[in-house]
Order: sequence, then C-alpha cells, then structure tokens
Amino acid sequence: NAGVTQTPKFQVLKTGQSMTLQCAQDMNHNSMYWYRQDPGMGLRLIYYSASEGTTDKGEVPNGYNVSRLNKREFSLRLESAAPSQTSVYFCASSVLGQPNQPQHFGDGTRLSIL
Amino acid sequence: TQLLEQSPQFLSIQEGENLTVYCNSSSVFSSLQWYRQEPGEGPVLLVTVVTGGEVKKLKRLTFQFGDARKDSSLHITAAQPGDTGLYLCAGEDNTNAGKSTFGDGTTLTVKP
Repeated sequence: NAGVTQTPKFQVLKTGQSMTLQCAQDMNHNSMYWYRQDPGMGLRLIYYSASEGTTDKGEVPNGYNVSRLNKREFSLRLESAAPSQTSVYFCASSVLGQPNQPQHFGDGTRLSIL
Repeated sequence: TQLLEQSPQFLSIQEGENLTVYCNSSSVFSSLQWYRQEPGEGPVLLVTVVTGGEVKKLKRLTFQFGDARKDSSLHITAAQPGDTGLYLCAGEDNTNAGKSTFGDGTTLTVKP
C-alpha cells in the first residue's frame, strides 16, 4: 500500500520556469492538501481540495495553482517560479466527513529555484 | 486565522532524560493531533486528542489536551536517540472540518 506518492522527489528550476508537482493517493480519501515547509516555519497550507471537483485557497496560495484531476490525484503548478518558492512541498490526504481524521503525508518534493 | 505556538523550538537532551513540549493557542480546536517527522520524510501521526482534559499514552509518550481545548502537551519519559525528530502539533477547528492549522514544530535531539 503506497499511501501518498509525490513526484518528483527533487527538482531544480530557474527563475521564471514553470513546473507541476504531482500527488496521488490510493486510500480512497476525499480530501487532499498541498503544504510548503520552510525552516522554522512548520507546514503552511497552500491549497486544499475537500472533495473531487472542489479546490480552495489556503494560507499562502499566491504564485500557485492546483488541479484536482480525479479522486486520486491533486497537482500543484508553479506558473513562473520565484526564488521565494524554494521549499519542501508536501501533499497530504484525509477522509472527508468525519471529524478528527489525521492527514496522511507523502515524503515531499524538494524544490530549489535559482 | 488560528495560530498554534509550539515551545521550545529546539531541544537537545541526553538519553534517559525526560522532556515536555507544549502547543498553545488562543483558539478552541475540535481536536488536536501530534505528528513526528524524520529528515527526508513526511509527518506521521502519533495521536489525536479530542476531549478536553484527555490524556493518551503511547509507550513512553504521554499526550494531554487542555480542559478548554486550546492547548496540549507531549511528555516523553526516558528519551532515546530514536525519539529524535521534529514534533508537530496540528489543530482542527469546528468550522472547517478536515482543514488543520500546524504549529512551527519542536526539533528534538536525543544524544546517546
């Protein structure tokens, strides 16, 4: 059981380049999330999708777009990468409709913008 | 915006010592979760606390949810090098089920 799978694991981009980070879960979860993690700042929510067909902004959405392709997949796109977007990006999923459900995380994508 | 403050930010102790880390907020949460994250990996759930005053134990780890459901603590007894990692608390609010606010984490190093 793979859980939450993120690709790629590492990526280096030049300023202005675009890129899509992929995330897929095999736990039949309704809700999916994208976070960024910077040193000393914990996890900050970028976008989330409570269920298939819906997406909402989180705490730090500027510079990003998302697509909930189907129930399994939730992608994060950087249209024009900036050095401030250098970070570790985590995708997570959880069950919708039941409170107090934990989030299951992937192992992250380490992104460097030069 | 709901905020969760964790303290201390960094903690370095010797094997066998006890420690407590804290997670505090001015907001009420319907539940609070503790995660542990190792380098190069995503956070992994340790426990969820739901009821005010609730205490849960996981081997040498004891978790407590404050009576008012605004704060929580994690106590580790006789710490071991394998406990080393980043400990994150996350609170889920009643108004947006499924969406959690994360604290900035406590980085724990246990030296042999």
